[in-house]
Amino acid sequence: DAGVTQSPTHLIKTRGQQVTLRCSPKSGHDTVSWYQQALGQGPQFIFQYYEEEERQRGNFPDRFSGHQFPNYSSELNVNALLLGDSALYLCASSLGAFENTEAFFGQGTRLTVV
Amino acid sequence: RKEVEQDPGPFNVPEGATVAFNCTYSNSASQSFFWYRQDCRKEPKLLMSVYSSGNEDGRFTAQLNRASQYISLLIRDSKLSDSATYLCVVTRVLTGGGNKLTFGTGTQLKVEL
Repeated sequence: DAGVTQSPTHLIKTRGQQVTLRCSPKSGHDTVSWYQQALGQGPQFIFQYYEEEERQRGNFPDRFSGHQFPNYSSELNVNALLLGDSALYLCASSLGAFENTEAFFGQGTRLTVV
Repeated sequence: RKEVEQDPGPFNVPEGATVAFNCTYSNSASQSFFWYRQDCRKEPKLLMSVYSSGNEDGRFTAQLNRASQYISLLIRDSKLSDSATYLCVVTRVLTGGGNKLTFGTGTQLKVEL
């Protein structure tokens, strides 16, 4: 049973460019959340998708957008990249999203903006 | 003030030592509490849930004090393989559905020979 898979694993982009990151959730999971982890910090919640809709959003600008597909996989898009967007982007999947739901994380995509 | 605060460490301890990590949270609406472990350049993985009654899993003991909004993790007889960053996590269900995990910055543990 494959866990959460993310692609690509590493990416280098130039300031101003756009990037798309991809996530396939763990089999049977229907909810996908995205997190940004800067060096030396804990992961920060970007947004959560369920039934192909953005259900919740953290404190991130509109440059960060996403999508969830009918097969529950998800994409994170970041436009007009800034140097400060350099981070590890983590996708987490779960079955539902309740207070004690366990989230499973993918290995992350390490984005470097130069 | 950050919603979840942890001492970043690093904690350098000899093998076999007992080490304790503390965490405080500011949002009294927080509903569930966890410790995650993150190895260098890897994804976070759930270590254990934290309950008010306290819970133990082998060498690991977690405790929650809702009145003080304080969470702790105790590791006994530490092993070299325990070296990692330990992330304190609080969750709450959000208006409109869904939940949000809020992470502390993590506490780095280095267990040495």
